[in-house]
Amino acid sequence: GAVVSQHPSRVICKSGTSVKIECRSLDFQATTMFWYRQFPKQSLMLMATSNEGSKATYEQGVEKDKFLINHASLTLSTLTVTSAHPEDSSFYICSARTGTSTEAFFGQGTRLTVV
Amino acid sequence: DAKTTQPNSMESNEEEPVHLPCNHSTISGTDYIHWYRQLPSQGPEYVIHGLTSNVNNRMASLAIAEDRKSSTLILHRATLRDAAVYYCILHYGGATNKLIFGTGTLLAVQP
Repeated sequence: GAVVSQHPSRVICKSGTSVKIECRSLDFQATTMFWYRQFPKQSLMLMATSNEGSKATYEQGVEKDKFLINHASLTLSTLTVTSAHPEDSSFYICSARTGTSTEAFFGQGTRLTVV
Repeated sequence: DAKTTQPNSMESNEEEPVHLPCNHSTISGTDYIHWYRQLPSQGPEYVIHGLTSNVNNRMASLAIAEDRKSSTLILHRATLRDAAVYYCILHYGGATNKLIFGTGTLLAVQP
């Protein structure tokens, strides 16, 4: 199956700094990627839909100025958590589909800890 | 988005079959039934999907009720590596259409 890779897998940052998470589709092109956040013992919550070459679409309640999404190429989307605070500590996951597949492929996730 | 209802948790013994139920009474005619699972500290992985007919693949089987208001994911012989959260999701397809996750079923497999 297709592969989606996230980097880094774990990151610790200081409160007030920004962190960038990368999501790459390794063997296919993805015009659309999705970003999720997951708190401990909870389900995945969709944050935004990342669209190549255009603005991301954010879900209700997600601050677009805090979670900056850039999808500059067909194989790379980035999520930047700006001015991170401890409450932003979470597991961030991206996903994408190929043009022909019904199933979605997920990255391995990024564990963000803000101290 | 049509919602799904799953039990919060289930237990199984190793090498026994597991039947994971999902209710989706408000499913529309164009909704596919998808199953994903998430192992601890990993991103979800695709398990199986179907529309009307029962489906089989190397991982599992999907049994869909005739009225499509419920479905059952069947793991024929559970292993310890099958311990995960299993999500039943309705999705009408398309690379740009988002997947919305419910609470899922936490499956524990006992040796």
